Amino acid sequence: GAVVSQHPSRVICKSGTSVKIECRSLDFQATTMFWYRQFPKQSLMLMATSNEGSKATYEQGVEKDKFLINHASLTLSTLTVTSAHPEDSSFYICSARVPESNYGYTFGSGTRLTVV
Amino acid sequence: GQNIDQPTEMTATEGAIVQINCTYQTSGFNGLFWYQQHAGEAPTFLSYNVLDGLEEKGRFSSFLSRSKGYSYLLLKELQMKDSASYLCAVMDSNYQLIWGAGTKLIIKP
Repeated sequence: GAVVSQHPSRVICKSGTSVKIECRSLDFQATTMFWYRQFPKQSLMLMATSNEGSKATYEQGVEKDKFLINHASLTLSTLTVTSAHPEDSSFYICSARVPESNYGYTFGSGTRLTVV
Repeated sequence: GQNIDQPTEMTATEGAIVQINCTYQTSGFNGLFWYQQHAGEAPTFLSYNVLDGLEEKGRFSSFLSRSKGYSYLLLKELQMKDSASYLCAVMDSNYQLIWGAGTKLIIKP
């Protein structure tokens, strides 16, 4: 089946530093990758949609200069949280549409970010 | 606005049957998904409905009524491992997924 590999699974960083999260599609080409954030006991909130070879589309209220998205190839998309603050602590998940399938979207395993 | 409603939490007994409802109001409709999410993990796909009716897949079944903006996920022969959150998501006219807040299902022995 279609798999998206997401790393790291957990990261703790200091306030003011940057953290990069990678998502790779292992056995299919993901022209579009969706980045979500999920706070405890809440639903997935779409942050941005990244398209291979073009600029990402950010949802309203998401700072594009703080959450840098790069989708340089058909199998790799990255999210960099810059100048992290404790309020950025959350569960970040990437997702890609599985092509030619009714299985919808496949998800990475998620990254638990804790900013101290 | 777009809205997905599902109960916050449900409790059921091992071996029993439980039905999790989902109602939606979205800008267009291109299908409804159910996902299972265990605590601290990413969601995993359960079902996809785009036409009215019941889709059965093992112990899990999903039903859709587009005219009523309503779906349910039916879980039979509940097992302890079914304890998880169940997320309802609708794909709107822009092919964007709109997510419900999820239903936390607690299974008791």
